[in-house]
Amino acid sequence: GEDVEQSLFLSVREGDSSVINCTYTDSSSTYLYWYKQEPGAGLQLLTYIFSNMDMKQDQRLTVLLNKKDKHLSLRIADTQTGDSAIYFCAEILSYNTDKLIFGTGTRLQVFP
Amino acid sequence: SQTIHQWPATLVQPVGSPLSLECTVEGTSNPNLYWYRQAAGRGLQLLFYSVGIGQISSEVPQNLSASRPQDRQFILSSKKLLLSDSGFYLCAWSPQTERGTGELFFGEGSRLTVL
Repeated sequence: GEDVEQSLFLSVREGDSSVINCTYTDSSSTYLYWYKQEPGAGLQLLTYIFSNMDMKQDQRLTVLLNKKDKHLSLRIADTQTGDSAIYFCAEILSYNTDKLIFGTGTRLQVFP
Repeated sequence: SQTIHQWPATLVQPVGSPLSLECTVEGTSNPNLYWYRQAAGRGLQLLFYSVGIGQISSEVPQNLSASRPQDRQFILSSKKLLLSDSGFYLCAWSPQTERGTGELFFGEGSRLTVL
């Protein structure tokens, strides 16, 4: 079955880079996603990457995809306290219904 | 613009009591609708999804049910709550397209505590 795994916690100092890792199982997934959940709120799509890409950069965010190892990472440059949140990676299960399988989420804590 | 509303935001219920969580979407028509549950340390689990009125698919066997009485209304229910039903429930929608984008729009969530 499908399974998406992430480490549960990451703590970084303000101004440093954060790297959040994710492994997925479905090699046929053509899109992979990063969602952000701020405390007590719903999720918002941060960025996504198409499976024929190795890297995607969007301002402070860099997504790296290693399709051979089924490994996805999200790098946040110059991490700020406002980046403190839970970050979920997700793979798409069904295109017709946008069914996503989410990872367990990584809680990022940024300290001054 | 499209908005999604969920209520109540928090709920404390005794074991064995009924449950009704409501979700409505505005500013779009014929959306795909989803209920997810977020339990501590377990990430997000897809409970139900719906592609149209009266069309509900259940992803996991459980004590809960869902209904879609109107195009933009999605309700999560239980006749008798269990302790294990505690969690953070998230409603989401996505536009119906020929090929999905994977972008879901989430509500603010409903925190349910069963005592």
